Amino acid sequence: EAGVTQFPSHSVIEKGQTVTLRCDPISGHDNLYWYRRVMGKEIKFLLHFVKESKQDESGMPNNRFLAERTGGTYSTLKVQPAELEDSGVYFCASSQIAEQGYNEQFFGPGTRLTVL
Amino acid sequence: DQQVKQNSPSLSVQEGRISILNCDYTNSMFDYFLWYKKYPAEGPTFLISISSIKDKNEDGRFTVFLNKSAKHLSLHIVPSQPGDSAVYFCAASALNDYKLSFGAGTTVTVRA
Repeated sequence: EAGVTQFPSHSVIEKGQTVTLRCDPISGHDNLYWYRRVMGKEIKFLLHFVKESKQDESGMPNNRFLAERTGGTYSTLKVQPAELEDSGVYFCASSQIAEQGYNEQFFGPGTRLTVL
Repeated sequence: DQQVKQNSPSLSVQEGRISILNCDYTNSMFDYFLWYKKYPAEGPTFLISISSIKDKNEDGRFTVFLNKSAKHLSLHIVPSQPGDSAVYFCAASALNDYKLSFGAGTTVTVRA
């Protein structure tokens, strides 16, 4: 079974440009999450999709970030315009509908974004 | 505010000895706790978890202990092996809340 995949693995852009990250979850996983790790600090939650619906977007930093999951399959995360502080590693994760108390999320390898 | 804290950024241990990683949390609503392991250039990989109704969970060389009154959990790796060298993240989630809150990670180095 294929794991969570992310594209690109690395992206280097200049401040003010636009970047779109893509995530393909594990087949059959209705839950899809975006996280970000900045400068070796903790991994921070950005948002959570259940199928194509945004369940929780409380971690999105500001309106420069737009996440979509059309059709409930893959997801994209667009940053427009990018700022220096957006640099970091963006992780996508997916999980099945969890039974109460069970919440194992499977992570992709991440996209390393560098904004110059 | 960071609700999950791993106060030791690094740990060095000799092969065959025990590795003990610690994690503290502040949110009393957390009821499920996980440990993830991460190698360079890879995503975090699930290692072991524990529900708040338990105080211990064991899986092979890995054991997680939960002390709810102290809001503290720890991961024990016995015996430590060179392949265990990685960054270990503690994570937690609250009932009916799917998002995970992570600590900053502890880098474990197992010396031969």
